[in-house]
Amino acid sequence: SQELEQSPQSLIVQEGKNLTINCTSSKTLYGLYWYKQKYGEGLIFLMMLQKGGEEKSHEKITAKLDEKKQQSSLHITASQPSHAGIYLCGASGTSYGKLTFGQGTILTVHP
Amino acid sequence: DVKVTQSSRYLVKRTGEKVFLECVQDMDHENMFWYRQDPGLGLRLIYFSYDVKMKEKGDIPEGYSVSREKKERFSLILESASTNQTSMYLCASSLSWGLGEQHEKLFFGSGTQLSVL
Repeated sequence: SQELEQSPQSLIVQEGKNLTINCTSSKTLYGLYWYKQKYGEGLIFLMMLQKGGEEKSHEKITAKLDEKKQQSSLHITASQPSHAGIYLCGASGTSYGKLTFGQGTILTVHP
Repeated sequence: DVKVTQSSRYLVKRTGEKVFLECVQDMDHENMFWYRQDPGLGLRLIYFSYDVKMKEKGDIPEGYSVSREKKERFSLILESASTNQTSMYLCASSLSWGLGEQHEKLFFGSGTQLSVL
């Protein structure tokens, strides 16, 4: 089965700092999803990457998928307290459309 | 936007009780999922359903069952709740079978934090 490893497990940054979260797969990724979760709430879709070398941006968040399609990174520029939460990567790979998730990265942004 | 509604945000039950968690989606999605979320373990799939009355086991089905009598509703049942089932439970739906964002993208409910005492 496919396993996803996220790093770091937690991250504390000062407001305005840049940061990167990584997601590494044990198998070649067909599709890689990034979600954000505010504490105690459901997950909100951020973006999906499918092609090797692909990069997508939404506001100050940029996600990339490497050429070998086994690693993805999520980069936040000039972090704000509103970026705080849990970031999870999810991988697709079966025709049923099930997603397998990493363990999540807890981000804290201090004002 | 798709709305996925979970019936309870917080639930406290006693060991041995039968527990029902309800989930309703309003966008005619074919697929529905139940995950549980625990610190350091991420989301783990309990059960999923790809059609009415159809269900498939996920990665951790032991101690759980599900019911999907109507397309929009997917219920998770804990037949005899135990303390190790204390967790955040998340329901999700997706459009249909197939690969790619259109089919696979999951829409999540707000979650039910279940405590079993």
